[in-house]
Amino acid sequence: AQTVTQSQPEMSVQEAETVTLSCTYDTSESNYYLFWYKQPPSRQMILVIRQEAYKQQNATENRFSVNFQKAAKSFSLKISDSQLGDTAMYFCAFMKPGGYQKVTFGTGTKLQVIP
Amino acid sequence: ETGVTQTPRHLVMGMTNKKSLKCEQHLGHNAMYWYKQSAKKPLELMFVYNFKEQTENNSVPSRFSPECPNSSHLFLHLHTLQPEDSALYLCASSQVFLGGREVSPLHFGNGTRLTVT
Repeated sequence: AQTVTQSQPEMSVQEAETVTLSCTYDTSESNYYLFWYKQPPSRQMILVIRQEAYKQQNATENRFSVNFQKAAKSFSLKISDSQLGDTAMYFCAFMKPGGYQKVTFGTGTKLQVIP
Repeated sequence: ETGVTQTPRHLVMGMTNKKSLKCEQHLGHNAMYWYKQSAKKPLELMFVYNFKEQTENNSVPSRFSPECPNSSHLFLHLHTLQPEDSALYLCASSQVFLGGREVSPLHFGNGTRLTVT
């Protein structure tokens, strides 16, 4: 079974600064996908970024980028130029391909962007 | 209009009540999911419907009963719940591709905040 660990329950960052959220996972699979989801107060979980394990290049989406270290089983999210709208819960998630999407989530990190 | 719509947004019910949560997806996906989100715990997968067939039931108590009449609609029927069932219930959908490496991430609704008194 897979496990996903987010060791930072809460974090804060000044507006326009950079913050990194950490995530580690445990799996015996060689092919899998990793995601970061954002859950603002509106409660809808929104996909921020995804990474395929077979790709060495780190994924980027505008101000969001990841540092994927497959050997260390680490998948951190970097948010650059933080904005007030980035205030939310952030969940790291693991998924095996094949069939329906069986996703394992971490417990989340609550990020507060301070004006 | 979001791709996945859940109603009601909030629900308060007594332990003897019967109620239903509704989820509708407008994305043309073929799989739908119910998740339970409790404070300080990872999201818990409750049920999965893949091509309208239930393919997963993660040891969920029988007081929760899912129904998937078609690939766009998913219900969660609730009866004789307990206070510990109070949580945010999230519906999600995705596209399942048979074979190959293509993967669709989960698309979530806004959830139903359930309080059992």
